[in-house]
Amino acid sequence: EDKVVQSPLSLVVHEGDTVTLNCSYEVTNFRSLLWYKQEKKAPTFLFMLTSSGIEKKSGRLSSILDKKELFSILNITATQTGDSAVYLCAVVPYNNNDMRFGAGTRLTVKP
Amino acid sequence: GAVVSQHPSRVICKSGTSVKIECRSLDFQATTMFWYRQFPKQSLMLMATSNEGSKATYEQGVEKDKFLINHASLTLSTLTVTSAHPEDSSFYICSARRVSTDTQYFGPGTRLTVL
Repeated sequence: EDKVVQSPLSLVVHEGDTVTLNCSYEVTNFRSLLWYKQEKKAPTFLFMLTSSGIEKKSGRLSSILDKKELFSILNITATQTGDSAVYLCAVVPYNNNDMRFGAGTRLTVKP
Repeated sequence: GAVVSQHPSRVICKSGTSVKIECRSLDFQATTMFWYRQFPKQSLMLMATSNEGSKATYEQGVEKDKFLINHASLTLSTLTVTSAHPEDSSFYICSARRVSTDTQYFGPGTRLTVL
């Protein structure tokens, strides 16, 4: 059975801190891994990763995938209160349409 | 680009009534749309995968006669919760997958409250 495990489940930091969120997976015929940010409503897309070792960056956020060790990390540097959200990791297998989501990491950034 | 709309955003109904939720991809075509359900402080649970022009594929434990899905065109999928009961109260989110990519774009969600 496909599994996506995120850690930690929740994290509280102060503004300016750097955080690393983890996502490990066990998926038959892995194709891609996606990161989403969910605030009060539906998730918004952050990154899609398909190849190992290639870092994707967007401002203070970056992410990388390790297909050998079956995990990905999402880094946020110089955190701001607006980064407070649930961060979801999802994987897409080949020959399948859907994504399997992890439970999410709830990040709280205090001023 | 890649905007997905959902309507209504919020609905309150009496037990026993049916509720229809629409999901539209506004600026792209989506051969596949997905319906998720999310309980408070939990992750998204996939309910069904909707393919344009064919029957939806339901996840285990999701009653297809209760949650009717229709994918009438490349930009529209509907979810009808039939004979809704209080336990159906939840946040329902749709997503649309852009043709030939893996990225799914989510609608803003519909909060259903059944009294």
